[in-house]
Amino acid sequence: GQNIDQPTEMTATEGAIVQINCTYQTSGFNGLFWYQQHAGEAPTFLSYNVLDGLEEKGRFSSFLSRSKGYSYLLLKELQMKDSASYLCAVSDPRAAGNKLTFGGGTRVLVKP
Amino acid sequence: EPEVTQTPSHQVTQMGQEVILRCVPISNHLYFYWYRQILGQKVEFLVSFYNNEISEKSEIFDDQFSVERPDGSNFTLKIRSTKLEDSAMYFCASSGPPGENTGELFFGEGSRLTVL
Repeated sequence: GQNIDQPTEMTATEGAIVQINCTYQTSGFNGLFWYQQHAGEAPTFLSYNVLDGLEEKGRFSSFLSRSKGYSYLLLKELQMKDSASYLCAVSDPRAAGNKLTFGGGTRVLVKP
Repeated sequence: EPEVTQTPSHQVTQMGQEVILRCVPISNHLYFYWYRQILGQKVEFLVSFYNNEISEKSEIFDDQFSVERPDGSNFTLKIRSTKLEDSAMYFCASSGPPGENTGELFFGEGSRLTVL
């Protein structure tokens, strides 16, 4: 089965840093994705990790430890527009294409 | 920038009616998907489609659901007889050929289905 856990909600101040953790227990693993979803909108791709370590992309970084079944998304220099839900998703290697199983999402509220 | 487009953006229907949701995936993509998101809940996989056939489907995707690629551009999701619990946002997504970028899914803006 697939089990992906992330905190429900986090609050942070504009300009600060927030780290969103994700733990997963899945029957297979072919990479971990982070997506951003603003309320009422589609998820948009942020990052992808398939090997252990840190991937940096501007203000956003994502880390993966496959042995621990753990990832985090780091958002630096927070801006008001970063208020959104952040979805952790694991790719299933048994499926054709890229079937993703999503966690419940972490709603981040950025305050002035 | 190429994008996935979906129609309608919002549909209201009566329980028991048939609904067809339409999607135009990104043109050079080979894999197509439908996901749904009930309000306040997580994004759930429904079905994936490759080479003109279903490659995988979830437990949610029962006999009431079907998908079709009627021509070279459209990808549709049909719900034969809608139930109240089918009310959700339905997202279409597509991804490129194996080895292209990270294989990330590109999502459409969604079709909100309300069943009364």
